[in-house]
Amino acid sequence: QSGLTQPRSVSGSPGQSVTISCTGTSNNVGAYSYVSWYQQYPGKAPKLMIYDVSKRPSGVPDRFSGSKSGNRASLTISGLQAEDEADYYCCSYAGSYTWVFGGGTKLSVL
Amino acid sequence: QVQLQESGPGLVKPSESLSLICTVSGGSMSSHYWSWIRQAPGKGLEWIGYFYHSGNTNYNPSLKSRVTLSADTSKNQFFLKMHYMTAADTAVYYCARGWFGELDSWGQGTLVTVSS
Repeated sequence: QSGLTQPRSVSGSPGQSVTISCTGTSNNVGAYSYVSWYQQYPGKAPKLMIYDVSKRPSGVPDRFSGSKSGNRASLTISGLQAEDEADYYCCSYAGSYTWVFGGGTKLSVL
Repeated sequence: QVQLQESGPGLVKPSESLSLICTVSGGSMSSHYWSWIRQAPGKGLEWIGYFYHSGNTNYNPSLKSRVTLSADTSKNQFFLKMHYMTAADTAVYYCARGWFGELDSWGQGTLVTVSS
């Protein structure tokens, strides 16, 4: 079960938009609409930001959006704010009641 | 608002077994999947396995031979047991509630160090 591929780091200036990619295979991301994204600050537990590819839990700003095309999912953060600086992880259902995470992306707000 | 809290030993000797408990409050275990996830220092998240109230479980293939998940739903607790621990198993272990497309509630995590 290989992990999903994310860029190690991305950066943007306040007010800009950034997109974090998450590349899987036809056995996970490409097969199911069950991709989620998590935000994690140092020393803290991950927080759900996007579920079912593009749905936002209550309380998550609408600056956060998710999408998927083929084997690639994406998280877009628009109107970047300093508080968005964190690590972001994607996760996909991989069939047969297994799940797989991406390696994580460090977002820097310059 | 459901809350999860991990508990267990912070230090385990190499080759010994790890036992962790996740206590669920503010909700029932009769729905959702209940998962364990770990994060080695400076590394990414790794899904370990899940438990469903029906008794169904499944595991990360890379850990399957060493992991057992179970629960006492009457106490709102689920358990992780991992055998033959090595230094590579040093990590923060999280429990979480979820479904197919989400893990919506997480515990704060517990650091487990494997060392003699």
